[in-house]
Amino acid sequence: SAVISQKPSRDICQRGTSLTIQCQVDSQVTMMFWYRQQPGQSLTLIATANQGSEATYESGFVIDKFPISRPNLTFSTLTVSNMSPEDSSIYLCSVPGQGFVYEQYFGPGTRLTVT
Amino acid sequence: DAKTTQPPSMDCAEGRAANLPCNHSTISGNEYVYWYRQIHSQGPQYIIHGLKNNETNEMASLIITEDRKSSTLILPHATLRDTAVYYCIGQGNTPLVFGKGTRLSVIA
Repeated sequence: SAVISQKPSRDICQRGTSLTIQCQVDSQVTMMFWYRQQPGQSLTLIATANQGSEATYESGFVIDKFPISRPNLTFSTLTVSNMSPEDSSIYLCSVPGQGFVYEQYFGPGTRLTVT
Repeated sequence: DAKTTQPPSMDCAEGRAANLPCNHSTISGNEYVYWYRQIHSQGPQYIIHGLKNNETNEMASLIITEDRKSSTLILPHATLRDTAVYYCIGQGNTPLVFGKGTRLSVIA
């Protein structure tokens, strides 16, 4: 199994500012995934981040709003830019398992509130 | 990815078996059925997966119908700590796509 940590665990930010969320994994992984979970909703995939290449964004998410860095095989950051109250969500990073295919491990999430 | 349908919520008495249904009538032959759960304020947690056969692990059992169009997750002796949102996913690749899930409330 993979152990994933995220920083910060929660934050309250003012609209118009940006927040960078860090995701650290205890093993090397090729792919990392970023999800958003709006209040009372299910998880929505934001993007897939592969080390050494540009992140692939899902429909409705753009790089200018959610820039992602993937400097090595154990770390990634997601920035939420020019925030508005609609960005208030839990942001989770996830990695595929090393065992059977298609298992995923999730970090504890970053709870963001934008005022 | 298969479209899955789950009841929005269910209640279960503590100590009793919780049976959570999922319809995945569009699932294709190479797509697995996965179950994850999300306890409040935590990241989703893998429970079990299966392709054709019924599966059991230390957490739960998964019963898949012969035509693979539906499945049931069974928590044999539900406890208060099993209160969570349970997601059924029919998929053959990553990253996983989550539906709305079933909110299970275990009642003392």
